[in-house]
Amino acid sequence: GAGVSQSPSNKVTEKGKDVELRCDPISGHTALYWYRQSLGQGLEFLIYFQGNSAPDKSGLPSDRFSAERTGGSVSTLTIQRTQQEDSAVYLCASSPFSGSGNTIYFGEGSWLTVV
Amino acid sequence: RKEVEQDPGPFNVPEGATVAFNCTYSNSASQSFFWYRQDCRKEPKLLMSVYSSGNEDGRFTAQLNRASQYISLLIRDSKLSDSATYLCVVTSPGDTGRRALTFGSGTRLQVQP
Repeated sequence: GAGVSQSPSNKVTEKGKDVELRCDPISGHTALYWYRQSLGQGLEFLIYFQGNSAPDKSGLPSDRFSAERTGGSVSTLTIQRTQQEDSAVYLCASSPFSGSGNTIYFGEGSWLTVV
Repeated sequence: RKEVEQDPGPFNVPEGATVAFNCTYSNSASQSFFWYRQDCRKEPKLLMSVYSSGNEDGRFTAQLNRASQYISLLIRDSKLSDSATYLCVVTSPGDTGRRALTFGSGTRLQVQP
């Protein structure tokens, strides 16, 4: 597609349930990032992929969070046993390659509400 | 000290005003600089890159001051549609992953009629 595509755009889930968020990056972009943003807050880095590997998982807040990327393209962020503090918008971004000086392009985000 | 710092605002200005934001960065080796714009409940979008000699795009002017380690964004003739949060983004050589781009927490601008 023309841009970064994320699904679902909105998700309401009950506390304790698992959720999967999907990101389809811009075709040909090798670098993929996941960020989280709570209402009124700045961007919080979660994880970065270069191709299918994740050299930097340092931002994942707990072991309930995991992510994978297959075929160097689509990525899935999974949150197990969701908690209310997981409520946020989860933003995926991609760029042609990793490294500094690189413009990244964001998807519209997946808005997660845990009730 | 944060790597990238911005005044959170909000900056409340009337239509037609000129407004400027600064962003300071701590790593003197920082190499590339950007301004992103984020509308309420939307994703960040690239507004403009910041070049060493300064650059202009219509009503927007970006400047870099390496000696004092800050970048600025000037908006002339503010429009209501300029109301948004402006994010400063800095990168440093050799950084990848989480450090490929370091985001400031943003400056909120509210242009009033």
